[in-house]
Amino acid sequence: AQSVAQPEDQVNVAEGNPLTVKCTYSVSGNPYLFWYVQYPNRGLQFLLKYITGDNLVKGSYGFEAEFNKSQTSFHLKKPSALVSDSALYFCAVRDGYKLSFGAGTTVTVRA
Amino acid sequence: EAQVTQNPRYLITVTGKKLTVTCSQNMNHEYMSWYRQDPGLGLRQIYYSMNVEVTDKGDVPEGYKVSRKEKRNFPLILESPSPNQTSLYFCASSFGGGGSYEQYFGPGTRLTVT
Repeated sequence: AQSVAQPEDQVNVAEGNPLTVKCTYSVSGNPYLFWYVQYPNRGLQFLLKYITGDNLVKGSYGFEAEFNKSQTSFHLKKPSALVSDSALYFCAVRDGYKLSFGAGTTVTVRA
Repeated sequence: EAQVTQNPRYLITVTGKKLTVTCSQNMNHEYMSWYRQDPGLGLRQIYYSMNVEVTDKGDVPEGYKVSRKEKRNFPLILESPSPNQTSLYFCASSFGGGGSYEQYFGPGTRLTVT
């Protein structure tokens, strides 16, 4: 069975600093990996995905993620964080028709 | 506007009183799914549907039922709700069920069972 771990419950950064949200995964076959973001009182929004190809994936709002097969990781990054990036971030892995989410990481960007 | 809609958005009910949460998408998606979100546990998949009349269990199906009679609708049924089903529920859809397709999420339904 597939699983996802987000080792940090919270990440706090200052505006303008780099932001990294960590994710590791476990899946039996080829990994299909996703990042979603949830703003307060909203549903989840898709940020980016890794299916195959380049290990560095670019997505919405200036976010990118690096796939590392040997470390089974898919960390989300943003070079310069904004206050508006404050939200709850979820990593997810797909195995067949099932999608498994991590517990989520709350990101707070202070002005 | 392409969207997934859920109704109701908020619901307070009592133990044992049957309820249905509706979900509808206007994107002609084949795949639809229900999740519950609980603090510290992230989202857990309840049921999913690969197409009309094709459904399967997710990770936490106990106490829930679903049906997929039309492509656009995927209602979630709680026949005898219990307090441990108090949660935030999300419906989602995507073009296909496997692999590469990202999901589109509804706004959520906050359910309280007393």
